[in-house]
Amino acid sequence: QITLKESGPTLVKPTQTLTLTCTFSGFSLSTSGVGVGWIRQPPGKALEWLALIYWNDDKRYSPSLKSRLTITKDTSKNQVVLTMTNMDPVDTATYYCAHGIITMVRGVIFHWFDPWGQGTLVTVSS
Amino acid sequence: SSELTQDPAVSVALGQTVRITCQGDSLRSYYASWYQQKPGQAPVLVIYGKNNRPSGIPDRFSGSSSGNTASLTITGAQAEDEADYYCNSRDSSGNSWVFGGGTKLTVL
Repeated sequence: QITLKESGPTLVKPTQTLTLTCTFSGFSLSTSGVGVGWIRQPPGKALEWLALIYWNDDKRYSPSLKSRLTITKDTSKNQVVLTMTNMDPVDTATYYCAHGIITMVRGVIFHWFDPWGQGTLVTVSS
Repeated sequence: SSELTQDPAVSVALGQTVRITCQGDSLRSYYASWYQQKPGQAPVLVIYGKNNRPSGIPDRFSGSSSGNTASLTITGAQAEDEADYYCNSRDSSGNSWVFGGGTKLTVL
C-alpha cells in the first residue's frame, strides 16, 4: 500500500522560505518510472502543478514558479523536499504531494499521479 | 489561465450520462489523466492513459481523446459522483505538467 504525508509549517511570513517534506512508504524512488510531484490548491480554487522529481533525479518545475522552487529527494529516508522562496499571501494553499508514474507504451508516454497525500494547509501572513 | 481548458460547471440528472471535456494543444500529443475531488478531500485518480481505471474506480467512468480534446464520461451518474473533476497532462512545451481549471459536477 502506497501512502504519502506532507509535513511543514502551517504559517509562514511574507518573504520567508517555505520548506515542505513529503514522507512516503510503499514504493522506492529509485525504481524506474517512479516520481513524486507537488501540487497546490488555494482555498476554493483549482489545482496547480508545482514540481516533480523522478527516480533518475530528473526535475521538472512549473515555468511560472521555477525561479522560486527547488525539489530534492532522499531515497534512503523515503522523503522528497520542496522549497519555495519569497512566500507571498497569494501562496496560501493546501499543498499536496503525490506518487507519480511515467511509462511508455509503443512510443506513447503515459503519466499519472496516484495516490495523493492528505495535503497540508500553508497560510502566508504577517 | 491554464493551458488546459475545462467548463467550470456541468450538471447531470441522476442515472444519466455526462461528458466532461478538457481542451488543450498538448492533448494532441499526450494523454490526460483525470482526478475526482470531493470537498475537504485530496484528489483521487479516476482515469489515466488511453482509458484505464485504477482499482476501485467504478466502470461507469471512462476516458477518451480526439484531437485537442480529452473527455471523461460518466455513464449512469450517481449521487456520489458529485465532485470537482480535473484533467492533467503535459504543458505545450512538453517539459512540465499542468492541470485544467476544474469542472464542478452537480448530480440533480
